[in-house]
Amino acid sequence: GAVVSQHPSWVICKSGTSVKIECRSLDFQATTMFWYRQFPKQSLMLMATSNEGSKATYEQGVEKDKFLINHASLTLSTLTVTSAHPEDSSFYICSASQLAGGPLVYEQYFGPGTRLTVT
Amino acid sequence: AQKITQTQPGMFVQEKEAVTLDCTYDTSDPSYGLFWYKQPSSGEMIFLIYQGSYDQQNATEGRYSLNFQKARKSANLVISASQLGDSAMYFCAMRRTTGANSKLTFGKGITLSVRP
Repeated sequence: GAVVSQHPSWVICKSGTSVKIECRSLDFQATTMFWYRQFPKQSLMLMATSNEGSKATYEQGVEKDKFLINHASLTLSTLTVTSAHPEDSSFYICSASQLAGGPLVYEQYFGPGTRLTVT
Repeated sequence: AQKITQTQPGMFVQEKEAVTLDCTYDTSDPSYGLFWYKQPSSGEMIFLIYQGSYDQQNATEGRYSLNFQKARKSANLVISASQLGDSAMYFCAMRRTTGANSKLTFGKGITLSVRP
């Protein structure tokens, strides 16, 4: 149980185009999803926190108009990179939060990531 | 604010030996959880072990154990009997234990290489 998928797993796009990445919780309902970006050999950087049916909360320094996040249902959140440029090339990872009932109250599960290359 | 510090340079260990990966943290939250994740070259984040701030005993999961020293604010990961498949990047992380929106704060990670 508690599987999170991402699609696509990798994508190459041309500079100036937009690309959408999907994050799905396959066997549970996720009230909250998180989007991270990771550059090679670096840590995960939280971009935004997404709650179903409401606007995402972006971290400081993340351009909300460039990285559009939609969380339309309890099992799906999407990240759209608009007008992508080579500097947006990165590994994008989502995680989904599930009410677990244990000491952590909410467990977070990671998707496998999406590797974006902008040429 | 929460902060995780991982300062070790890349680590090397001989196969079948034990290795300790260091992690120190800082937080003002009284209730928090500490995590270790493994990230192989494929990129997926693999959860290894969890330690709650109020847990009296150190967490263990198979070959992984967490040396939790609350007064020193350290949460070192010990991997026993290293295997070649343990070569990966390892991240220490923390978050508050309550709230669906509780954010994970990651350290910068450390690369572990296991030598045959």
